[in-house]
Amino acid sequence: SAVISQKPSRDICQRGTSLTIQCQVDSQVTMMFWYRQQPGQSLTLIATANQGSEATYESGFVIDKFPISRPNLTFSTLTVSNMSPEDSSIYLCSVEGGQAYEQYFGPGTRLTVT
Amino acid sequence: RKEVEQDPGPFNVPEGATVAFNCTYSNSASQSFFWYRQDCRKEPKLLMSVYSSGNEDGRFTAQLNRASQYISLLIRDSKLSDSATYLCVVIRTGANNLFFGTGTRLTVIP
Repeated sequence: SAVISQKPSRDICQRGTSLTIQCQVDSQVTMMFWYRQQPGQSLTLIATANQGSEATYESGFVIDKFPISRPNLTFSTLTVSNMSPEDSSIYLCSVEGGQAYEQYFGPGTRLTVT
Repeated sequence: RKEVEQDPGPFNVPEGATVAFNCTYSNSASQSFFWYRQDCRKEPKLLMSVYSSGNEDGRFTAQLNRASQYISLLIRDSKLSDSATYLCVVIRTGANNLFFGTGTRLTVIP
């Protein structure tokens, strides 16, 4: 299975600022995914990031708010821009696993916006 | 209607008990089904895939009923270490992303 790390593991930020979350994988992967898990809720896909192309965003998420970079096959970043308290959540990246449609998740970044 | 719906629980069961969770999905074009496990403050991890014919992995049995659009997970001889939130996950035909249920929380009591 892939080993995925995320930085930072947690942060407390002031409203109106931006935070960039990094996701590093120990092997080359085609697709990387960014999810959000709000308190007491399940995971919601924000976007799919492919190397060399623009990220594909799900309904309700836009590039201006959540810009994503995918400079190579082992790394991606998600920026949460102009944060508000509603952005307080856990943000997780994931990659495809060995089985069809299986995904491995990073440990998550716990974000609190004050 | 939500893509995937689960009973949130919590289910509190004694060690050794058998417990079953159900999950329903709304899109009949869904093609792949999984159960993930998420421990408190940890990331989700794949527990098992769910096949049309049903499948078993040790104490865990997963079933799929396409006609009724539901998936089940049965845990036999519950252990304390089974305490976690169990997430039902569905993938639609032609899509790559996972649709997660809100999870069913299980606590196994000594």
